[in-house]
Parts: sequence; structure tokens; C-alpha cells
Amino acid sequence: KAGVTQTPRYLIKTRGQQVTLSCSPISGHRSVSWYQQTPGQGLQFLFEYFSETQRNKGNFPGRFSGRQFSNSRSEMNVSTLELGDSALYLCASSWPGTGAGLNTEAFFGQGTRLTVV
Amino acid sequence: EDKVVQSPLSLVVHEGDTVTLNCSYEVTNFRSLLWYKQEKKAPTFLFMLTSSGIEKKSGRLSSILDKKELFSILNITATQTGDSAIYLCGVRGGSEKLVFGKGTKLTVNP
Repeated sequence: KAGVTQTPRYLIKTRGQQVTLSCSPISGHRSVSWYQQTPGQGLQFLFEYFSETQRNKGNFPGRFSGRQFSNSRSEMNVSTLELGDSALYLCASSWPGTGAGLNTEAFFGQGTRLTVV
Repeated sequence: EDKVVQSPLSLVVHEGDTVTLNCSYEVTNFRSLLWYKQEKKAPTFLFMLTSSGIEKKSGRLSSILDKKELFSILNITATQTGDSAIYLCGVRGGSEKLVFGKGTKLTVNP
């Protein structure tokens, strides 16, 4: 069974540009969450999608957006990049991610390392 | 707002030592607490805890949850250099959002 796949693995962008990151969850998983990780900050929650709907959102500016497709694949977009957006972006998928008593672990992808110069 | 606090943030030990990592949380309608190990990029799952007082164990690692006091500990006995990693604690509440703490960076020296 294939794991969570994130593309691209590495990305270098210039300030002011925009970027789109992709995450393909484990087959059958319907929940995809995105996290930003910078040194000393742990995993900061960006947003979570479930069945093509944004179910939860973290405290990030509107420059960060995302979407989920009918096959559960998710994309994250960051517009007007700033130097501070340089980070490792991780996505995690889980199944089914809903319903009392249905506790499941989340599986992480290898991440996309974004560098803004 | 859901909150997870891990301590210490950094820890350096010698091989063979025993370490205890702490995780306290505030979350609405607690569902589960999860521990992960992150060595390179992708965090890997260690334990999921949902009930108080029941110890989860895997080799030299063990973890327990106290839902009354809102905390969990992760113990590693007889540490090895391969245990060097960032250990992440995450909590899932009623919103289904999985929120993590800043992590504990463990360094095990030979």
C-alpha cells in the first residue's frame, strides 16, 4: 500500500511569487491535514480537508489556501511568498477522521522543503 | 483554542540513560493523544492513547495518559544513539483537528 506522497520534495522560490504543493493521501483516506514546520516551532496546523471541504483552519494569513479533490488529493497554495514562509510543509492523511470512537493515527508524507529567497 | 505543550524542548543524554518526555494539553472534547518520532522528514507513529492509566508499550518505549491531569509521558529506557530524534505529541479533539506541540529534541550521545 503506497504511503502519503508529497510533491515536489524541494522548491526554491523568490519573494512575491506563489507556490502550489501537492499531497496524495493513502488510498481510502479521506482526511488530509497540512502543517508548517520551522526550527523550534514544531508542527503548526494550517488546515484540514475532509471530503473536499475545509473542516478546520489554523491561524495563518489568507495567503495560505488549499483545496481537496474528489479523489482526496489535496493541494496547498501560498501566494505572495515571504522569506518567513521558508519551512518544511508536511501533509498527513487519516481514515476516516470522523465519528466518535473512530480514533485513527495520521500518516505523514516526506514533506516539501520550501526555500524563499 | 486547542493547545499542546511539550517539555523539555531539548534533552541531551548518554547511551543507556532513561528519559521521560512530557506532554500537557488543553483541548475541547478530547479524543486521542498521539506520539510521533521524527528523524529526518516524515514523523512516524509511535503510540495513540485514548484512556487514562493504560500503558502502551513497544520495546524500550512506553507511554501513559492521565486525562484528569491532562498530560502524557513518553518513557525511553536504555537509550541508544538511534533514539536521537524529535518526539512530537499531538492531540485530537472534538473538531477532529490534530494539534501538535513544539516537540522535544532528544540527542543520545555514545
